[in-house]
Amino acid sequence: QKEVEQNSGPLSVPEGAIASLNCTYSDRVSQSFFWYRQYSGKSPELIMSIYSNGDKEDGRFTAQLNKASQYVSLLIRDSQPSDSATYLCAVAKNRDDKIIFGKGTRLHILP
Amino acid sequence: GAGVSQSPSNKVTEKGKDVELRCDPISGHTALYWYRQSLGQGLEFLIYFQGNSAPDKSGLPSDRFSAERTGGSVSTLTIQRTQQEDSAVYLCASSLAVRGSPLHFGNGTRLTVT
Repeated sequence: QKEVEQNSGPLSVPEGAIASLNCTYSDRVSQSFFWYRQYSGKSPELIMSIYSNGDKEDGRFTAQLNKASQYVSLLIRDSQPSDSATYLCAVAKNRDDKIIFGKGTRLHILP
Repeated sequence: GAGVSQSPSNKVTEKGKDVELRCDPISGHTALYWYRQSLGQGLEFLIYFQGNSAPDKSGLPSDRFSAERTGGSVSTLTIQRTQQEDSAVYLCASSLAVRGSPLHFGNGTRLTVT
């Protein structure tokens, strides 16, 4: 089982709709979870971080964490063409805080 | 403030040559990572430095790859006897290493082995 798993996509969402990106992780004692966005040819940039069960909202973005299910998601409301990118889920392992990335989900917002 | 700085931004080398890639992390960041990203692929973990602890080298793909971090700051990733499959973008990232601290990435070095 991979440590951090994401559907590679591409995920196509109409402009203005909600995009839902999902991630599962294998280490049950993981403590910190991050979503990064990576545009083609650019480095990843942090969008959201979440540490506690539940939802965390920041503008059009909402991160959701369910530690019991080992599941973290990112919702993007009112999707814009500029949201088209690869979204990387990252998890900090408990013992040494090393951050492990999933393979990323390619998101395509249809104008 | 200054971000993570990587040099060179682009490197073209002939197969069999050695290359050195440099990363200058954000001042005060004790954790430093190297990742490799091939075209259209995800981030492949290479090595992790955390303070004065022994580095986690578990991601290095072969003994041709090595990295060091001098004085807890600048890091150099060395690839010996480069092969065409080493062609990729090499990304460096640093963090405060306080629990939950996110990573800050450099702009990467694009390595092309001909």
